[in-house]
Amino acid sequence: QSVLTQPPSASGTPGRRVTISCSGSNSNIGGNTVDWYQHLPGTAPKLLIYRNNQRPSGVPDRFSGSKSGTSASLAISGLQSEDEADFYCAAWDDNLNGVVFGGGTKLTVL
Amino acid sequence: EVQLLESGGGLVQPGGSLRLSCAASGFHFSSFAMTWVRQAPGKGLEWVSAIMGSGGTKYYVESVKGRFTISRDNTKNTVHLQMNSLRADDTAVYYCAKDRIAVAGGGLDYWGQGTLVTVSS
Repeated sequence: QSVLTQPPSASGTPGRRVTISCSGSNSNIGGNTVDWYQHLPGTAPKLLIYRNNQRPSGVPDRFSGSKSGTSASLAISGLQSEDEADFYCAAWDDNLNGVVFGGGTKLTVL
Repeated sequence: EVQLLESGGGLVQPGGSLRLSCAASGFHFSSFAMTWVRQAPGKGLEWVSAIMGSGGTKYYVESVKGRFTISRDNTKNTVHLQMNSLRADDTAVYYCAKDRIAVAGGGLDYWGQGTLVTVSS
């Protein structure tokens, strides 16, 4: 059971918008920033969003992040077939003194 | 160009030891924390350990405390993960990752390709 809770799956059709939620607590999301990763099995994970809503250089602005209280969300607009992957949220946890990941959300582009 | 190259994975019996290494290049190594993340077969990503840029502060996930030790050599731009008393549930692909900043928890902006550790008799 992961400390951060994500839906196991999400889906959408090309061109549409999809959001992935991440729920935590005061010790992690509530008091620290959230990062989001995209992971294709067999490849290196990729940082999509850091500090709740910042995009690293090279990440399209179709990807956006937000945080409110003890929850965070990743939004993907203009869905493309290449977006199919597993998505993970992560945050520092003050009680555990380490980073905690969500269980991951598998995105399917229909 | 930032590059992270892991090595040292393999097959080991339960109770055995392995030492993972990660050779880094393309950035000022000592200015950034370094982290190990693993993914067990069919499971999600799990943060394992991190070490600050200076090497002075180290963090571990509870399940590996007392068994794993992270270290770094800022003269050789390498980070290591010494894994002792290995168990079957340590079986995973282990990724080396660079933190965005000198301390852990700021986001992992570069990752290696991973090295597979299999613990089995």
